[in-house]
Amino acid sequence: AQSVSQHNHHVILSEAASLELGCNYSYGGTVNLFWYVQYPGQHLQLLLKYFSGDPLVKGIKGFEAEFIKSKFSFNLRKPSVQWSDTAEYFCAVILNSGYSTLTFGKGTMLLVSP
Amino acid sequence: DTGVSQDPRHKITKRGQNVTFRCDPISEHNRLYWYRQTLGQGPEFLTYFQNEAQLEKSRLLSDRFSAERPKGSFSTLEIQRTEQGDSAMYLCASSLDRELGGYTFGSGTRLTVV
Repeated sequence: AQSVSQHNHHVILSEAASLELGCNYSYGGTVNLFWYVQYPGQHLQLLLKYFSGDPLVKGIKGFEAEFIKSKFSFNLRKPSVQWSDTAEYFCAVILNSGYSTLTFGKGTMLLVSP
Repeated sequence: DTGVSQDPRHKITKRGQNVTFRCDPISEHNRLYWYRQTLGQGPEFLTYFQNEAQLEKSRLLSDRFSAERPKGSFSTLEIQRTEQGDSAMYLCASSLDRELGGYTFGSGTRLTVV
């Protein structure tokens, strides 16, 4: 069974600091990778996704993620965070199959102080 | 709002009672998913539908849980004989079958069993 591990449950940063949230998955086959975000009081929404091709993918609001196949990792990055980035971030994986569903990690709560 | 709608937003029930939640997906989306999320955890897959067919059910979905999507549009999730361990946020999401992993989530129904 596939699983997703997120390294940190809570991260606290000051505005303008750089962000990197870790994500590792355990599945030997072809996977598709996602980061979802949940802002306070809002529903989960897609931040970015990787299917194939360039392992560096760019998402909304200046976020990017790098797929490193040899490390089974898909870390999320942002060069300079803003207070409005305060949210919970979930890494997720789906098998490259039409009948597969998303498996989520436990999430990382990011708090950005102004 | 043309997103995914869930009703009710909150439900408090006594242990042993039955509850039913409703999800209205985005109208053109043929896939509908139910997830459950508890504090400190990521969303956990429960079941999903393609049109009216229920294609997969998680082992998390005990016999007390049943889901339907009778006309391939809205869906209901019923929990019979609720237990305190059923307290959680129940999330519904929808997607097109070609949008692998790109789900649109609703705001969820928070269930509290007392």
